Amino acid sequence: QSALTQPPSASGSPGQSVTISCTGTSSDVGGYNYVSWYQQHPGKAPKLMIYEVNKRPSGVPDRFSGSKSGNTASLTVSGLQAEDEAHYYCNSYAGTFYVFGTGTEVSVL
Amino acid sequence: EVQVVESGGGLIQPGGSLRLSCAASGFFVSTSYMSWARQAPGKGLQWVSFINSDGSTYYADTVKGRFTISRDNSKNTLYLQMSSLRAEDTAVYFCTRGEYSYGYVFRGQGTLVTVSS
Repeated sequence: QSALTQPPSASGSPGQSVTISCTGTSSDVGGYNYVSWYQQHPGKAPKLMIYEVNKRPSGVPDRFSGSKSGNTASLTVSGLQAEDEAHYYCNSYAGTFYVFGTGTEVSVL
Repeated sequence: EVQVVESGGGLIQPGGSLRLSCAASGFFVSTSYMSWARQAPGKGLQWVSFINSDGSTYYADTVKGRFTISRDNSKNTLYLQMSSLRAEDTAVYFCTRGEYSYGYVFRGQGTLVTVSS
């Protein structure tokens, strides 16, 4: 049950795009299309942004998109806005448990 | 409106026990996939345990044998019984609901558990 690997930080200017990777194994990310992404602002509870690799819950802007290739999932935030500055965590189902990623801090320059 | 309120956290000595509660409203715990996740101060998220609608339970290796997830359908409440607590269990504990096919939604603000002598 090792944490999924994410880059510690990512950044972009307003209006640009940023992509965050989430690398696991064939037992989690690669084995199931059940990858989720969460956004967390300081002092707040995490917010579900993507589920089932590329689906958005109601109310999440279409600037947020997800994808997966092999054992690596990705979250892309297009048209960066100041309010997108936050920590982002991936999460994958792994059969009998779930595992979160190590987290990525996204900065909007 | 769908809501959860976590409670039961506090300061506890190493080796002690604590029971967290998650009171739900606007939906039924009995027919939902529910989970507990935690976040140590300044650290990332960690999944702890989940219970399926059929009552099957699953645990992270780090808490297996020490924590027990359960629900009381009459009170529409989810619980996390924690025993043999360690300093590394110190965290904010969140109750979450599977609302989007393996996508869990955090609707509460969590409850802080501090394990320290």
